[in-house]
Amino acid sequence: EAGVAQSPRYKIIEKRQSVAFWCNPISGHATLYWYQQILGQGPKLLIQFQNNGVVDDSQLPKDRFSAERLKGVDSTLKIQPAKLEDSAVYLCASSLILGWGISTDTQYFGPGTRLTVL
Amino acid sequence: KNQVEQSPQSLIILEGKNCTLQCNYTVSPFSNLRWYKQDTGRGPVSLTIMTFSENTKSNGRYTATLDADTKQSSLHITASQLSDSASYICVVSAINAGGTSYGKLTFGQGTILTVHP
Repeated sequence: EAGVAQSPRYKIIEKRQSVAFWCNPISGHATLYWYQQILGQGPKLLIQFQNNGVVDDSQLPKDRFSAERLKGVDSTLKIQPAKLEDSAVYLCASSLILGWGISTDTQYFGPGTRLTVL
Repeated sequence: KNQVEQSPQSLIILEGKNCTLQCNYTVSPFSNLRWYKQDTGRGPVSLTIMTFSENTKSNGRYTATLDADTKQSSLHITASQLSDSASYICVVSAINAGGTSYGKLTFGQGTILTVHP
């Protein structure tokens, strides 16, 4: 079974530039997540999609970050314009839905995109 | 506020030794707790998942415990190997009151384990 694919793996840009990341989840996984992981910290959820709808984007800095999952499969995360503090690893994860309430589901993570903003 | 605190922040042990990592959480209402292993330059990989009714769960040399009363969990690694060097992240899931999501995850900051030969 193919895992979660992300590209690019590394990206270096200057502040105020724009950047986009791509994620292709595991086939059949309805839920897709974007996380930001700053060095030495745990991942922080940016946005959660269920199919092509947004479930949670409460921690997404909407003035500069945007994400879409138009056909309910792959997704893109964009930063425009980038700031120095956006330097981090951006992880994409996907999971199956077992139903509302108690769930023992597992998120499968991609390798991440390491962004460096100079 | 939902929080997950892990200790120690980092740990260095010799190959073959055992170690225990700690996780305290204040997430409510609790759904489940996961331990993830994250190798350098890779995404996290799930090791164990436990619901409130489970006290212990093993995955090879990894054994996780959960005390839902004290809201504490531990991950015990037996006979450590060099490949165990990684960051170990405790993740707690809360039931979303909105009902449109199966859970909201709160991540700990991770414990960086280094195993030396």
